[in-house]
Amino acid sequence: AQSVTQLGSHVSVSEGALVLLRCNYSSSVPPYLFWYVQYPNQGLQLLLKYTSAATLVKGINGFEAEFKKSETSFHLTKPSAHMSDAAEYFCAVDGSGNTGKLIFGQGTTLQVKP
Amino acid sequence: NAGVTQTPKFRILKIGQSMTLQCTQDMNHNYMYWYRQDPGMGLKLIYYSVGAGITDKGEVPNGYNVSRSTTEDFPLRLELAAPSQTSVYFCASSTPWTGGHQETQYFGPGTRLLVL
Repeated sequence: AQSVTQLGSHVSVSEGALVLLRCNYSSSVPPYLFWYVQYPNQGLQLLLKYTSAATLVKGINGFEAEFKKSETSFHLTKPSAHMSDAAEYFCAVDGSGNTGKLIFGQGTTLQVKP
Repeated sequence: NAGVTQTPKFRILKIGQSMTLQCTQDMNHNYMYWYRQDPGMGLKLIYYSVGAGITDKGEVPNGYNVSRSTTEDFPLRLELAAPSQTSVYFCASSTPWTGGHQETQYFGPGTRLLVL
């Protein structure tokens, strides 16, 4: 069965600092992986998705993630944090191959300090 | 396009009451989903549908029912509300998933439900 683990429920960085949000997955089939962002009182919005075409995936708002099969990881990074990046971030894996049944991690809240 | 819309935004229910959470999308998406979000737990899939007349259970379907009579609408029904159903509910939609191509799910703004 597929699963996702996000290390750290809260991450705090200073404005301008590197953002690193960790995600590890478990999958018995080649995984389809996603990062979603949720701003307060809003629905989820796709940041980026792994399509197997390239291991380094670039998303919106300057975020990117690298798929590392050997480490079963899909960590999310951004070189320089902005105040507007403060939100909750979810990593997700397709739960059954390619049906759209996503399995979400528990989420990581990113705090950006001035 | 309005995208995915959900009503109501917030509701308080008494134990044992019933209600329907409405979800509508105007993107002509075949696939639709219902999730619930609990603090520290991420999102859990309740039910999903791959087209009108076709629904299937997700991870946590107990206590809920769905129907899909049109492409646009995917209502979620709670028959006998319980405190354990206090949560935020999100509806999402996407185009069909094909081999090797993962489609983006578009989420509605959510319905916050409190069962007392």
